[in-house]
Amino acid sequence: KAGVTQTPRYLIKTRGQQVTLSCSPISGHRSVSWYQQTPGQGLQFLFEYFSETQRNKGNFPGRFSGRQFSNSRSEMNVSTLELGDSALYLCASSLDFLRARGTEAFFGQGTRLTVV
Amino acid sequence: AQSVTQLDSHVSVSEGTPVLLRCNYSSSYSPSLFWYVQHPNKGLQLLLKYTSAATLVKGINGFEAEFKKSETSFHLTKPSAHMSDAAEYFCVVSERLTSGTYKYIFGTGTRLKVLA
Repeated sequence: KAGVTQTPRYLIKTRGQQVTLSCSPISGHRSVSWYQQTPGQGLQFLFEYFSETQRNKGNFPGRFSGRQFSNSRSEMNVSTLELGDSALYLCASSLDFLRARGTEAFFGQGTRLTVV
Repeated sequence: AQSVTQLDSHVSVSEGTPVLLRCNYSSSYSPSLFWYVQHPNKGLQLLLKYTSAATLVKGINGFEAEFKKSETSFHLTKPSAHMSDAAEYFCVVSERLTSGTYKYIFGTGTRLKVLA
């Protein structure tokens, strides 16, 4: 059974540009969550999608957005990139992550975004 | 709001000696708690989880954790460290949102170093 796949693995972008990251969840999983990981702030929740609907959003500016397609694949977009957006972006999938507190999430390897 | 505190940012042990990674939690209800491990340039892998069943939880690779409500702790242990255990470990609590759904709250991580 294939795991969570994130593409691309590495990205270098210039300040002011925009970027789109992709996440393919485990087959059968309908929930996809996104996290930003930085040395200073640790792992922070961005947003979560279930059946193409955003169910929850973290405390990030509107430059961060996402969507989920009918096949559960998800994309995350960051517009007007800032240097502080440099981070590892992790995607997690689960069967129905947020309906049961004990549900476990499966993480991809992440996309390392560097903004120069 | 729920939170987790990982008491040590770095832990060093010699190969073959016990491992103890400490985690305290704060929760207004019976929490679900998880330990994840992240190897360099990899995503997060679930080690074990507690969801109000047995207080001693056994995970993969010989790790286990004990839920102690009186101490609000969920420390991760392993009897004998292996070189391959060198990684960063995250304690996670599942937080209930006003919508009735949940999200993960991550600790700041503990980097485990295993000395030969």
